Amino acid sequence: DIVMTQSPDSLAVSLGERATVNCKSSQSVFYSSNNKNYLAWYQQKPGQPPKLLIYWASTRESGVPDRFSGSGSGTDFTLTISSLQAEDVAVYYCQQYYRTPKTFGQGTKVEIK
Amino acid sequence: QVLLQQWGGGLLKPSETLSLTCSVSDDSISNSNYWWGWIRQPPGKGLEWIGEINHSGSTNYNPSLKSRVTISVDTSKNQFSLNLSSVTAADTAVYYCARVVVPTGEAYYFDYWGQGTLVTVSS
Repeated sequence: DIVMTQSPDSLAVSLGERATVNCKSSQSVFYSSNNKNYLAWYQQKPGQPPKLLIYWASTRESGVPDRFSGSGSGTDFTLTISSLQAEDVAVYYCQQYYRTPKTFGQGTKVEIK
Repeated sequence: QVLLQQWGGGLLKPSETLSLTCSVSDDSISNSNYWWGWIRQPPGKGLEWIGEINHSGSTNYNPSLKSRVTISVDTSKNQFSLNLSSVTAADTAVYYCARVVVPTGEAYYFDYWGQGTLVTVSS
């Protein structure tokens, strides 16, 4: 199985500041034949199901605010919230879909400082 | 707006079979652009993919659960279901159904999720 490891486990950021969540895969999730990274990011608020934010590592899902962005390639990826808002308090998960079984990172909790 | 509504589960005893159903609204489960999947989340923990199915009944399962999992589809009711046999306390979790995006013929990421159902296994 591809192991997804996120860092940090939690972080506290002031309102309006940048929040950065990292995700590392145990093997590359980049498919050279189509030049795509098979990685998605989700946001989960308490008591709610996860919400898709980003797919193909950097494509924002429709309706997701542009303060959310994804970057990286191969084994190292980053989710950036450019200006943290109160409604962004949540746990964020990365997920690889390069190989079955699909696997998720352990989650990163983002809070307000 | 696609809506996934799920039901079933609740409190189970060890060795019983977990059964959940997910009903899809505002999309056809026969839409070839999507598969339909199940993911679970133990209390306070992360997400684990269980498996997925398409409209014709083709399935992919997590090898760690494959011997106990059956996912089925009923296109006439626009529903799909999860059965997990011989449950133990380790199967206690919130179970989610989800739509799986299939841009190139293979099932990839999850764009719509059900509300989640807590299943507790306890004697």
